[in-house]
Amino acid sequence: AQTVTQSQPEMSVQEAETVTLSCTYDTSESNYYLFWYKQPPSRQMILVIRQEAYKQQNATENRFSVNFQKAAKSFSLKISDSQLGDTAMYFCAFMLKETSGSRLTFGEGTQLTVNP
Amino acid sequence: GAVVSQHPSRVICKSGTSVKIECRSLDFQATTMFWYRQFPKQSLMLMATSNEGSKATYEQGVEKDKFLINHASLTLSTLTVTSAHPEDSSFYICSARRGWVRGEAFFGQGTRLTVV
Repeated sequence: AQTVTQSQPEMSVQEAETVTLSCTYDTSESNYYLFWYKQPPSRQMILVIRQEAYKQQNATENRFSVNFQKAAKSFSLKISDSQLGDTAMYFCAFMLKETSGSRLTFGEGTQLTVNP
Repeated sequence: GAVVSQHPSRVICKSGTSVKIECRSLDFQATTMFWYRQFPKQSLMLMATSNEGSKATYEQGVEKDKFLINHASLTLSTLTVTSAHPEDSSFYICSARRGWVRGEAFFGQGTRLTVV
C-alpha cells in the first residue's frame, strides 16, 4: 500500500515571500503520478501541479514548482511570491499509473496562511 | 477545464431520514467517480469508487448499505446516506475522472451534511 506523509500541519509566510511545503511518500511501484491540491476556505479542491514519476524534470506552473526526488521519495512544493489568495490547505497526493480506477492517496494536509 | 457539479452544497436532515447527493460531470464523460468524506481540518477519506454501470467498490470500514452509490450514467453518480444519524454529519466530496487523461481527477464543490 502507498502512503503519503506531510509533516507540517501548519505553516505561515509573509506576502511576496517564498515558502516550501514538504511531502514524502512510500511505494514499491515505479510508475505513478504525484499531485499537489489546494483546498481554500470554500473547500473546493483545486489541482495546483502534477508530476509524472518517469519525468526527471521538475514540474512548474507559474509561481508553483516542485522538487521531485524520486530516490528519496520526496515531493516538495515551492510557492514563490506568495499571495493572500494562496491561503489554503494543501494536500500532497499519490496515484499509481495503472487504470482509470486508480485512486488518489492523500497526505494529512498542510494549512498555509499567507500574512499581509 | 472539466467541471464537476455537486448538489446540494448544504443539506440538513432529520435523524432516520435519507438524503441523496448528486455528482455530475458537466462537460465530459466520467468513466470513474470517487466519493470522499472529510472531517474538519482533516484529509479526504475515500469511501468508494464507482464505474459507470457497475457496482461501487467500497473501502474497508464503509457500510455499503448505509452509503448507497449509484453510477447510472457516464455523467451522473449519486450518494444516498440512508437512515442518517448525527455521526454521519460531515463534508462529502465527489470527484470524476474522464478515462485516463494524465491521471487528473476533477472535484465537485462538496456537500455539507448536517443530521439533527
